[in-house]
Amino acid sequence: GEDVEQSLFLSVREGDSSVINCTYTDSSSTYLYWYKQEPGAGLQLLTYIFSNMDMKQDQRLTVLLNKKDKHLSLRIADTQTGDSAIYFCAENRGYSTLTFGKGTMLLVSP
Amino acid sequence: NAGVTQTPKFQVLKTGQSMTLQCAQDMNHEYMSWYRQDPGMGLRLIHYSVGAGITDQGEVPNGYNVSRSTTEDFPLRLLSAAPSQTSVYFCASGGTSHNEQFFGPGTRLTVL
Repeated sequence: GEDVEQSLFLSVREGDSSVINCTYTDSSSTYLYWYKQEPGAGLQLLTYIFSNMDMKQDQRLTVLLNKKDKHLSLRIADTQTGDSAIYFCAENRGYSTLTFGKGTMLLVSP
Repeated sequence: NAGVTQTPKFQVLKTGQSMTLQCAQDMNHEYMSWYRQDPGMGLRLIHYSVGAGITDQGEVPNGYNVSRSTTEDFPLRLLSAAPSQTSVYFCASGGTSHNEQFFGPGTRLTVL
């Protein structure tokens, strides 16, 4: 299939770690991305990973890539209420065009 | 750099009206794209361009036209608006370092 799949909803408590999962389909993908969207706002690129990497860490964010299973995850350490948003996984399909998942709504409670 | 700019921010149309959503970027990017975002659907690619004078269709192109006469501008035209085109539209331009897409702030369109 052509879809990028994500779980739709995740609820965590402030200070916990959040893990958002994604599966993608194109084995020839070069770059995979995580975007954040707050209500009424545009898309903010959080991080990206090249498909020959297994892991990438950027401050509180850790991206894990399992190419065999076509599985991508985003871990947010010490989650804060300001992290509440919708998170999109996306894969590059060439010419900088992206295929997006439907998004995971992250709700962080105090 | 202003990045990617879109106008208008909001627009209400009646069924059958036409309009053009404007998009401009000042980063000298070759690649530009239009996406629409509907609730529960994520973002879907409408049309894209790999350079001035070159455009191609994405996943949901019906009802939309594009042209790319300059590197900076990539307008999206709705020739005869329909309620199914009510959506938030995002324009993006592609850099080259890691194929990053820079997104504009979006245009919220309602078709009555």
